[in-house]
Amino acid sequence: AQTVTQSQPEMSVQEAETVTLSCTYDTSENNYYLFWYKQPPSRQMILVIRQEAYKQQNATENRFSVNFQKAAKSFSLKISDSQLGDTAMYFCAFRKPGANNLFFGTGTRLTVIP
Amino acid sequence: NAGVTQTPKFRVLKTGQSMTLLCAQDMNHEYMYWYRQDPGMGLRLIHYSVGEGTTAKGEVPDGYNVSRLKKQNFLLGLESAAPSQTSVYFCASSTSVRPEQFFGPGTRLTVL
Repeated sequence: AQTVTQSQPEMSVQEAETVTLSCTYDTSENNYYLFWYKQPPSRQMILVIRQEAYKQQNATENRFSVNFQKAAKSFSLKISDSQLGDTAMYFCAFRKPGANNLFFGTGTRLTVIP
Repeated sequence: NAGVTQTPKFRVLKTGQSMTLLCAQDMNHEYMYWYRQDPGMGLRLIHYSVGEGTTAKGEVPDGYNVSRLKKQNFLLGLESAAPSQTSVYFCASSTSVRPEQFFGPGTRLTVL
């Protein structure tokens, strides 16, 4: 079974600063998908960013970018110019092609401090 | 376009009672999923469906049943609720060709 590990239960960052959330995973697959989801206090799970393992280029979505290190099985999320609305739980998730299960990490609670 | 919606948002049950959670999506997605989220854990897959009339077990299926009679709806049933089923339940949907799943707002269920 795939495992996804988020070793930082909680983090905080000053508004307008940059923060990086860590995620590592364990798989024997060569091709797969990785995701970061955001869960604000409203409880809604919101897709932040997606990375395909066969792509060497790191994914970017506005202020959100990833550092994907396939050999190290590492997938970190960088949030630039942090905003108060970024305060949320962030979950890293893994999915194999053709599989139906998303495997989630235990989450990192991020607080943006004004 | 409402995306994925869930009914109800909150529910309190007594042990042994039954209930059904309803999930609806208006994105014409083929696949639908039910997850549960417990404190200190990520989401875990309960059941899923790859099309109307089909369902399959996920990681933690015991104590739950599902049905998908219409493409846009996916129902999760608890026949005899137990305190261990106290959780937040999320429904999600996806197409058959893209890997990302889109989630509903969740249902907080408490079993006393």
